[in-house]
Amino acid sequence: QPVLTQPPSSSASPGESARLTCTLPSDINVGSYNIYWYQQKPGSPPRYLLYYYSDSDKGQGSGVPSRFSGSKDASANTGILLISGLQSEDEADYYCMIWPNNVVLFGGGTKLTVL
Amino acid sequence: EVQLVESGGGLIQPGGSLRLSCAASGFTVSTSYMTWVRQAPGKGLEWVSAIYADGGTYYADSVKGRFTISRDNSENTLFLQMGSLRDEDTAVYYCARALAPKYYFDYWGQGTLVTVSS
Repeated sequence: QPVLTQPPSSSASPGESARLTCTLPSDINVGSYNIYWYQQKPGSPPRYLLYYYSDSDKGQGSGVPSRFSGSKDASANTGILLISGLQSEDEADYYCMIWPNNVVLFGGGTKLTVL
Repeated sequence: EVQLVESGGGLIQPGGSLRLSCAASGFTVSTSYMTWVRQAPGKGLEWVSAIYADGGTYYADSVKGRFTISRDNSENTLFLQMGSLRDEDTAVYYCARALAPKYYFDYWGQGTLVTVSS
Protein backbone atom coordinates (compact mmCIF):
# COMPACT_ATOMS: atom_id res chain seq x y z
CA GLN A 1 0.00 0.00 0.00
CA PRO A 2 1.54 3.32 -1.04
CA VAL A 3 2.56 5.62 1.78
CA LEU A 4 1.37 8.73 -0.05
CA THR A 5 -2.41 8.83 -0.52
CA GLN A 6 -3.92 9.93 -3.81
CA PRO A 7 -7.57 9.63 -4.83
CA PRO A 8 -7.82 6.78 -7.34
CA SER A 9 -9.76 8.85 -9.84
CA SER A 10 -10.82 12.35 -10.74
CA SER A 11 -12.72 13.86 -13.61
CA ALA A 12 -13.40 17.25 -15.09
CA SER A 13 -14.53 18.76 -18.36
CA PRO A 14 -12.36 20.42 -20.97
CA GLY A 15 -11.52 23.98 -20.00
CA GLU A 16 -12.15 23.35 -16.31
CA SER A 17 -9.53 22.88 -13.64
CA ALA A 18 -8.51 19.66 -11.92
CA ARG A 19 -7.04 19.66 -8.41
CA LEU A 20 -5.18 16.47 -7.62
CA THR A 21 -4.08 15.82 -4.06
CA CYS A 22 -1.31 13.82 -2.44
CA THR A 23 -1.61 13.37 1.30
CA LEU A 24 1.45 12.48 3.32
CA PRO A 25 1.33 10.35 6.48
CA SER A 26 1.33 12.27 9.72
CA ASP A 27 4.96 11.42 10.47
CA ILE A 28 6.20 13.09 7.27
CA ASN A 29 5.80 16.86 7.19
CA VAL A 30 4.86 18.12 3.74
CA GLY A 31 6.62 21.37 4.49
CA SER A 32 9.98 19.64 4.65
CA TYR A 33 10.04 18.04 1.21
CA ASN A 34 9.89 18.68 -2.47
CA ILE A 35 6.72 17.21 -3.94
CA TYR A 36 7.35 15.85 -7.41
CA TRP A 37 4.59 15.15 -9.93
CA TYR A 38 4.63 12.79 -12.88
CA GLN A 39 2.19 12.11 -15.68
CA GLN A 40 1.85 8.71 -17.30
CA LYS A 41 -0.14 7.75 -20.35
CA PRO A 42 -0.90 4.15 -21.32
CA GLY A 43 2.05 2.31 -22.76
CA SER A 44 4.54 5.07 -21.95
CA PRO A 45 6.98 5.70 -19.15
CA PRO A 46 6.19 8.45 -16.67
CA ARG A 47 6.92 12.02 -17.63
CA TYR A 48 8.23 14.53 -15.11
CA LEU A 49 5.89 17.52 -14.73
CA LEU A 50 7.14 19.69 -11.89
CA TYR A 51 8.32 19.92 -8.34
CA TYR A 52 7.03 22.19 -5.59
CA TYR A 53 8.65 23.08 -2.29
CA SER A 54 7.42 26.61 -1.81
CA ASP A 55 6.34 29.55 -3.91
CA SER A 56 9.96 30.61 -4.10
CA ASP A 57 11.34 27.14 -4.74
CA LYS A 58 9.55 25.31 -7.51
CA GLY A 59 10.31 24.14 -10.99
CA GLN A 60 8.59 23.13 -14.19
CA GLY A 61 9.68 20.24 -16.35
CA SER A 62 10.97 20.90 -19.79
CA GLY A 63 8.11 21.61 -22.15
CA VAL A 64 5.47 21.34 -19.44
CA PRO A 65 2.78 24.00 -19.93
CA SER A 66 2.24 26.59 -17.24
CA ARG A 67 -1.29 25.21 -16.92
CA PHE A 68 0.30 22.68 -14.57
CA SER A 69 1.21 24.08 -11.17
CA GLY A 70 1.99 22.81 -7.73
CA SER A 71 1.22 23.90 -4.21
CA LYS A 72 0.89 22.59 -0.67
CA ASP A 73 -1.79 22.65 1.99
CA ALA A 74 0.18 22.43 5.21
CA SER A 75 -2.93 22.15 7.35
CA ALA A 76 -3.85 18.96 5.50
CA ASN A 77 -0.25 17.78 5.08
CA THR A 78 -0.99 17.57 1.37
CA GLY A 79 0.70 18.34 -1.91
CA ILE A 80 -1.48 19.59 -4.73
CA LEU A 81 -1.23 19.49 -8.52
CA LEU A 82 -3.51 21.98 -10.23
CA ILE A 83 -4.21 21.61 -13.93
CA SER A 84 -6.07 24.56 -15.37
CA GLY A 85 -7.72 24.83 -18.76
CA LEU A 86 -8.01 21.07 -19.06
CA GLN A 87 -7.43 19.57 -22.46
CA SER A 88 -8.24 16.09 -23.71
CA GLU A 89 -4.52 15.30 -23.84
CA ASP A 90 -4.32 15.76 -20.05
CA GLU A 91 -6.20 12.51 -19.56
CA ALA A 92 -3.63 10.32 -17.84
CA ASP A 93 -2.45 8.87 -14.57
CA TYR A 94 -0.74 11.30 -12.20
CA TYR A 95 1.71 10.30 -9.49
CA CYS A 96 3.20 12.28 -6.65
CA MET A 97 6.57 11.47 -5.17
CA ILE A 98 8.82 12.50 -2.31
CA TRP A 99 12.37 11.50 -1.49
CA PRO A 100 12.93 11.49 2.28
CA ASN A 101 15.89 9.83 3.96
CA ASN A 102 17.29 8.01 0.91
CA VAL A 103 13.99 6.28 0.17
CA VAL A 104 11.70 7.29 -2.68
CA LEU A 105 7.97 7.20 -1.99
CA PHE A 106 5.27 7.31 -4.66
CA GLY A 107 1.58 7.87 -4.29
CA GLY A 108 -0.81 5.29 -5.67
CA GLY A 109 -1.71 7.53 -8.57
CA THR A 110 -4.84 9.35 -9.71
CA LYS A 111 -6.48 8.52 -13.01
CA LEU A 112 -7.69 11.80 -14.48
CA THR A 113 -10.53 11.60 -16.95
CA VAL A 114 -11.31 14.59 -19.13
CA LEU A 115 -15.00 14.22 -19.88
CA GLU B 1 20.59 13.64 -26.46
CA VAL B 2 19.93 11.75 -23.25
CA GLN B 3 18.73 8.18 -23.73
CA LEU B 4 18.14 5.24 -21.43
CA VAL B 5 17.59 1.77 -22.86
CA GLU B 6 16.70 -1.12 -20.61
CA SER B 7 17.21 -4.77 -21.46
CA GLY B 8 17.34 -8.15 -19.77
CA GLY B 9 13.72 -8.72 -18.91
CA GLY B 10 11.90 -11.94 -19.58
CA LEU B 11 10.10 -14.91 -18.07
CA ILE B 12 11.74 -16.38 -15.00
CA GLN B 13 10.64 -18.99 -12.50
CA PRO B 14 10.07 -18.12 -8.85
CA GLY B 15 13.32 -18.29 -6.94
CA GLY B 16 15.35 -17.49 -10.04
CA SER B 17 17.71 -14.65 -10.83
CA LEU B 18 17.85 -12.05 -13.57
CA ARG B 19 20.06 -9.09 -14.37
CA LEU B 20 18.61 -5.98 -15.93
CA SER B 21 20.73 -3.46 -17.80
CA CYS B 22 20.14 0.19 -18.56
CA ALA B 23 22.45 1.59 -21.22
CA ALA B 24 22.80 5.34 -20.96
CA SER B 25 23.90 7.87 -23.55
CA GLY B 26 24.18 11.64 -23.56
CA PHE B 27 25.37 11.84 -19.95
CA THR B 28 27.63 10.03 -17.50
CA VAL B 29 26.05 7.43 -15.22
CA SER B 30 28.91 7.47 -12.73
CA THR B 31 28.39 11.14 -11.85
CA SER B 32 24.61 10.91 -11.72
CA TYR B 33 21.95 9.70 -9.36
CA MET B 34 20.26 6.72 -11.00
CA THR B 35 17.25 4.73 -9.98
CA TRP B 36 15.04 1.75 -10.81
CA VAL B 37 11.26 2.05 -10.60
CA ARG B 38 8.84 -0.76 -11.35
CA GLN B 39 5.20 -0.99 -12.25
CA ALA B 40 3.20 -4.18 -11.84
CA PRO B 41 0.56 -4.79 -14.51
CA GLY B 42 -2.30 -2.35 -14.02
CA LYS B 43 -0.74 -0.92 -10.86
CA GLY B 44 1.08 2.20 -9.80
CA LEU B 45 4.74 3.12 -9.65
CA GLU B 46 6.96 1.54 -7.02
CA TRP B 47 10.50 2.69 -6.35
CA VAL B 48 12.99 -0.17 -6.22
CA SER B 49 16.52 1.12 -5.78
CA ALA B 50 18.88 4.04 -6.27
CA ILE B 51 22.59 4.55 -6.63
CA TYR B 52 24.10 7.92 -5.89
CA ALA B 53 27.03 9.62 -7.57
CA ASP B 54 29.18 8.80 -4.52
CA GLY B 55 28.34 5.10 -4.95
CA GLY B 56 25.86 4.89 -2.10
CA THR B 57 23.09 2.37 -2.76
CA TYR B 58 19.57 2.27 -1.37
CA TYR B 59 16.68 -0.15 -1.65
CA ALA B 60 12.98 -0.47 -1.00
CA ASP B 61 12.22 -2.82 1.88
CA SER B 62 10.41 -5.14 -0.55
CA VAL B 63 13.66 -5.95 -2.40
CA LYS B 64 16.34 -5.40 0.23
CA GLY B 65 18.66 -8.38 0.44
CA ARG B 66 17.43 -9.78 -2.88
CA PHE B 67 18.29 -7.05 -5.42
CA THR B 68 21.57 -5.26 -6.02
CA ILE B 69 22.03 -2.06 -7.98
CA SER B 70 25.36 -1.32 -9.61
CA ARG B 71 26.93 0.49 -12.52
CA ASP B 72 29.73 -0.02 -15.00
CA ASN B 73 31.46 3.25 -15.61
CA SER B 74 33.32 2.02 -18.71
CA GLU B 75 30.08 0.90 -20.34
CA ASN B 76 28.05 3.83 -18.94
CA THR B 77 25.46 1.29 -17.87
CA LEU B 78 23.28 0.76 -14.82
CA PHE B 79 22.39 -2.72 -13.62
CA LEU B 80 19.86 -4.36 -11.35
CA GLN B 81 20.75 -7.86 -10.23
CA MET B 82 17.56 -9.54 -9.04
CA GLY B 83 17.57 -12.75 -7.01
CA SER B 84 15.10 -14.94 -5.12
CA LEU B 85 12.43 -13.67 -7.46
CA ARG B 86 8.81 -13.83 -6.40
CA ASP B 87 5.53 -13.63 -8.26
CA GLU B 88 5.05 -10.12 -6.89
CA ASP B 89 8.23 -8.95 -8.60
CA THR B 90 6.43 -9.23 -11.93
CA ALA B 91 6.47 -5.73 -13.39
CA VAL B 92 7.84 -3.40 -16.01
CA TYR B 93 11.15 -2.12 -14.70
CA TYR B 94 12.18 1.39 -15.62
CA CYS B 95 15.53 3.02 -15.09
CA ALA B 96 15.55 6.76 -14.60
CA ARG B 97 18.03 9.56 -14.01
CA ALA B 98 17.56 11.86 -11.04
CA LEU B 99 18.79 15.31 -12.02
CA ALA B 100 20.65 17.34 -9.46
CA PRO B 101 20.15 19.53 -7.55
CA LYS B 102 16.45 18.84 -7.16
CA TYR B 103 16.70 15.13 -8.02
CA TYR B 104 13.56 14.75 -10.03
CA PHE B 105 13.49 11.86 -12.48
CA ASP B 106 13.90 13.77 -15.71
CA TYR B 107 14.67 10.92 -18.11
CA TRP B 108 13.16 7.45 -18.13
CA GLY B 109 13.77 4.41 -20.24
CA GLN B 110 10.96 2.62 -22.04
CA GLY B 111 11.04 -0.20 -19.53
CA THR B 112 11.67 -3.94 -19.63
CA LEU B 113 9.09 -6.51 -18.54
CA VAL B 114 9.98 -9.10 -15.95
CA THR B 115 7.50 -11.94 -15.52
CA VAL B 116 7.98 -14.28 -12.59
CA SER B 117 5.91 -17.39 -13.09
CA SER B 118 6.18 -21.13 -13.02
